[in-house]
Amino acid sequence: GENVEQHPSTLSVQEGDSAVIKCTYSDSASNYFPWYKQELGKRPQLIIDIRSNVGEKKDQRIAVTLNKTAKHFSLHITETQPEDSAVYFCAASPEKLTFGTGTRLTIIP
Amino acid sequence: DTEVTQTPKHLVMGMTNKKSLKCEQHMGHRAMYWYKQKAKKPPELMFVYSYEKLSINESVPSRFSPECPNSSLLNLHLHALQPEDSALYLCASSPLPGGTDTQYFGPGTRLTVL
Repeated sequence: GENVEQHPSTLSVQEGDSAVIKCTYSDSASNYFPWYKQELGKRPQLIIDIRSNVGEKKDQRIAVTLNKTAKHFSLHITETQPEDSAVYFCAASPEKLTFGTGTRLTIIP
Repeated sequence: DTEVTQTPKHLVMGMTNKKSLKCEQHMGHRAMYWYKQKAKKPPELMFVYSYEKLSINESVPSRFSPECPNSSLLNLHLHALQPEDSALYLCASSPLPGGTDTQYFGPGTRLTVL
């Protein structure tokens, strides 16, 4: 089955700086890669996703890049704000979602 | 309605109790999911229903019994649970099954087994 690795497990950045979270996956059949943000005690919420026919996707301060050859994808958050503090999960799916282990992002005011 | 709802928010049960978790969506989604999430861990898939039929069971113990009475409702029946089953149980739905549609999560039921 699919295996997704996510790094780093924790990340602290100064407010206004950029944050990058990286994931690798194992199943070359995976073709859908969402990113979820989960605040403490809340539900996971989709923040951006990318499909295998696209190399990059951007939505305001958030962007995701995908390298299918290397089987890795990354989340980029620019101009970070305190409300970006949360746990971020990547996931990959050939037919069902497999989540990465999560990154706890802390924005330092 | 653009949300997945779950009841109850919290549930405490003994190992001999029988209880049920309920999930509802009115977005016309044809796939519904149950996930289990332990503290500081990612969600783990338990069951997938596609067009109201069970399509994936991730080798979940039989003390967890899913049910999909109609296209908007998903239940998870609990019986003879163990303390290690304490977790956040998340329901999700997506427009279509197959794993490549966006999944929308409910707020979860926080279950404590004593």
